[in-house]
Amino acid sequence: TQLLEQSPQFLSIQEGENLTVYCNSSSVFSSLQWYRQEPGEGPVLLVTVVTGGEVKKLKRLTFQFGDARKDSSLHITAAQPGDTGLYLCAGWGNSGYALNFGKGTSLLVTP
Amino acid sequence: SQTIHQWPATLVQPVGSPLSLECTVEGTSNPNLYWYRQAAGRGLQLLFYSVGIGQISSEVPQNLSASRPQDRQFILSSKKLLLSDSGFYLCAWSERGNQPQHFGDGTRLSIL
Repeated sequence: TQLLEQSPQFLSIQEGENLTVYCNSSSVFSSLQWYRQEPGEGPVLLVTVVTGGEVKKLKRLTFQFGDARKDSSLHITAAQPGDTGLYLCAGWGNSGYALNFGKGTSLLVTP
Repeated sequence: SQTIHQWPATLVQPVGSPLSLECTVEGTSNPNLYWYRQAAGRGLQLLFYSVGIGQISSEVPQNLSASRPQDRQFILSSKKLLLSDSGFYLCAWSERGNQPQHFGDGTRLSIL
């Protein structure tokens, strides 16, 4: 099993602050996906990163895929309460069907 | 556009009772379908996936089973629930393997 470790587990910040969360593995992934999940709902796909070194931006969210395709980061600029949720990274396992998920970073942004 | 529906949203069942959770997808044909379990708001564990009608693959041994009687219908079942079966169950679909997965809103299952 290709494990994905996410850090930090929990993060509580005030509105307007910047933050970075990390997704690391000792395995190489063909791509990594980031999801956000709100309580009582299913995860919603934010982005897929495919190329080593790739940077993708989604409004105030910046995603980076490591050069060696073993890690990824998510940076949020000027966080807002609406960014609150569980951020999950996921990568495809060797079977091509099993999506391996990290345990997530639980983010709380207070006004 | 494609949509995915899961029901029920919440379910409380006694130990030893049967289970049937249903998931349907609309707006696509021959999707890959998946059942996940999520413990305590943390990472997701893949339970079953299906690439076609009647084709089910199990990722972990357990007290649960899955079936795909129709192209866009995926069912998670158990004959006798255990306390350890409590959790948040999520259904997902994708166009095919290695493609982004799209999740339903989940079923919160509590076993008493």
